[in-house]
Order: sequence, then structure tokens, then C-alpha cells
Amino acid sequence: EVQLVESGGGLVQPGGSLRLSCAASGFTFSTYSMSWVRQAPGKGLEWVANIKQDENEKYYLDSVKGRFTISRDNAKNSLYLLMNTLRADDTAVYFCARESPDMATIFFDYWGQGTLVTVSS
Amino acid sequence: SYVLTQPPSMSVAPGETATITCGGINIGSKSVHWYQQKPGQAPVLVVYDDTARPSGIPERFSGSNSGNTATLAISRVKAGDEADYYCQVWDSRSVHLHVLFGGGTKLTVL
Repeated sequence: EVQLVESGGGLVQPGGSLRLSCAASGFTFSTYSMSWVRQAPGKGLEWVANIKQDENEKYYLDSVKGRFTISRDNAKNSLYLLMNTLRADDTAVYFCARESPDMATIFFDYWGQGTLVTVSS
Repeated sequence: SYVLTQPPSMSVAPGETATITCGGINIGSKSVHWYQQKPGQAPVLVVYDDTARPSGIPERFSGSNSGNTATLAISRVKAGDEADYYCQVWDSRSVHLHVLFGGGTKLTVL
């Protein structure tokens, strides 16, 4: 059974940093691209960042470029999101999501339950 | 940048068919995917590549995509279908990777 379990969320002050983790199990993690998707309270879904299987390609939402860094450790079956210079509008539930291996498009076939990040003084 | 437009809400009686639209310029040329999200839960993929259903998703869920509108249809609606529904595409025109979601449609079962 595919499982994605996020951790690392919490309350942080504006300008602070936080590192999210996603532990994957039930599939061969190293063969899948992965993404982080967030959802602000009462709002819709917003894709944040993506990383390819071997970490050679990474992409970011424009508003987080230069502040967030996505990474992975295939030996530990783990995905990470390092968030620096956090702002109030980064407040959201952050989901870890597995990308389907479909090479012609991108969609997410499994999601974690999410971890809440609150940026507030 | 590319924009996906969904109606914020809609309501349907049990047993009827709910039709949720997702508008975008020439969206028929893209692959559209749909997610269901119930309160406090993670999204669940219900339709991918316009019309395909993941294993475990009932045949009551179907998709179509043509021109400037993609559609998710839920036939014989049940109370358990009440949720937010999001469409999603990959905008491959840019050198940057753009994964886009529609604003979501809240489906209420009367």
C-alpha cells in the first residue's frame, strides 16, 4: 500500500525557516517524480515544487523561487522542502504528492495527509 | 499565464447527475485531471487524462474534454459525493514546469 506521511509543520515567525519531510513507503520511491502542493486555509490547491527521480531537475512556483528548496534522499525514501524567509501568505497545509509515471503529462496519483505550516508573529 | 476557471459551487439532488466544468483557452489540447477533496482530507484522483478512472473509482465518475471546456460528470449522485472538486493541467508551453489547478467547485448534495 502506497503511503506518504508528512511531518515538520508548525508555527513559525515571519522571516523564519522550516523543513518539511515526507516519508514514502509501499512503492519504489527512486523511480517517481515527487511534488509539494499546498492549500491555504479555506482556499484551493496550489502546486509548489517538483523534483525528478534522480534530483537532476527541480521546478518551483514563481512566488517561492529563491526561498524554498526541494530535495530528496532516495536511500531513505524521503522527500523534503526547506522553506526560508517565510511569509504570512505561505501559511497553508503542505501535501506531499506522488506524480504519475505518465510521460505525456503530470498528475498526482497519491497524496499524503498534509502538514500545517502557520507563519505568524 | 494559463488560467483554469471553475464555478465556485453547485448543488444537485441525490440520484441526479452533477456536471462540473473547467474552462481554459483551448483546454481540449491538454490532458485534464480531476480530484475530489472532502473536508479535512487529502485530495483523491478521480479522473485522469480527460476520461480515465483510477482503480477503485466508481464508473459514476466520468470526464470529457473538448474546445475550451473540460467536464467532470457524476451520475446517480450520492450524499457521499459531497466534496470540493478540482481540475488540473500541466502547462507545457513554458520552459518552466507549470502545474495548474482550477479554483475548485464545492458540490452540495441536497
